[in-house]
Amino acid sequence: QKEVEQNSGPLSVPEGAIASLNCTYSDRGSQSFFWYRQYSGKSPELIMSIYSNGDKEDGRFTAQLNKASQYVSLLIRDSQPSDSATYLCAVHYPSGSARQLTFGSGTQLTVLP
Amino acid sequence: DAEITQSPRHKITETGRQVTLACHQTWNHNNMFWYRQDLGHGLRLIHYSYGVHDTNKGEVSDGYSVSRSNTEDLPLTLESAASSQTSVYFCASSGLGSYEQYFGPGTRLTVT
Repeated sequence: QKEVEQNSGPLSVPEGAIASLNCTYSDRGSQSFFWYRQYSGKSPELIMSIYSNGDKEDGRFTAQLNKASQYVSLLIRDSQPSDSATYLCAVHYPSGSARQLTFGSGTQLTVLP
Repeated sequence: DAEITQSPRHKITETGRQVTLACHQTWNHNNMFWYRQDLGHGLRLIHYSYGVHDTNKGEVSDGYSVSRSNTEDLPLTLESAASSQTSVYFCASSGLGSYEQYFGPGTRLTVT
């Protein structure tokens, strides 16, 4: 069964710290990975996509991918209270013409002022 | 600006009634998806479509149906609403050749 595992948290960090969110997946054939942010009562919002091993930076966000170890992480530098949300990891599992994503259950992040 | 909308945003219905949730996107995306989100279960795929007249079942499709008569719309129908279908429903879409999905604002459905 194709799975995406995340620590449910909650994860609390002080304002200005680095928040580290982790995700593991079960299929070595996966090539596409995504991080979504979901504020309470709102819909998921795509914030990062990563396809190659290594780091991808976008502002205060860095996505890290290690296909050999089957994990993907999201680092948030200089965390702000506005970053408090649930972060969902999503993985595309290649299978025929499938274009679906498999989502983790999310990690709840709280940034303390 | 292109967008994806859902209606209604909130709906209360009675057990046994038929309910249709609308999803409309203006990105001209081929791929459209319906999810439900419940505490403890995360996002679960209900149905999806890769183009006009194409529909496929997801992992939790029992009691739901969809039809795709044009590119912009993928309505989700609950044939006979059950209390177990009380949930938040999200529609999403992605473009040709892309796996990046963009979500609508959601519909909160309560079945009493």
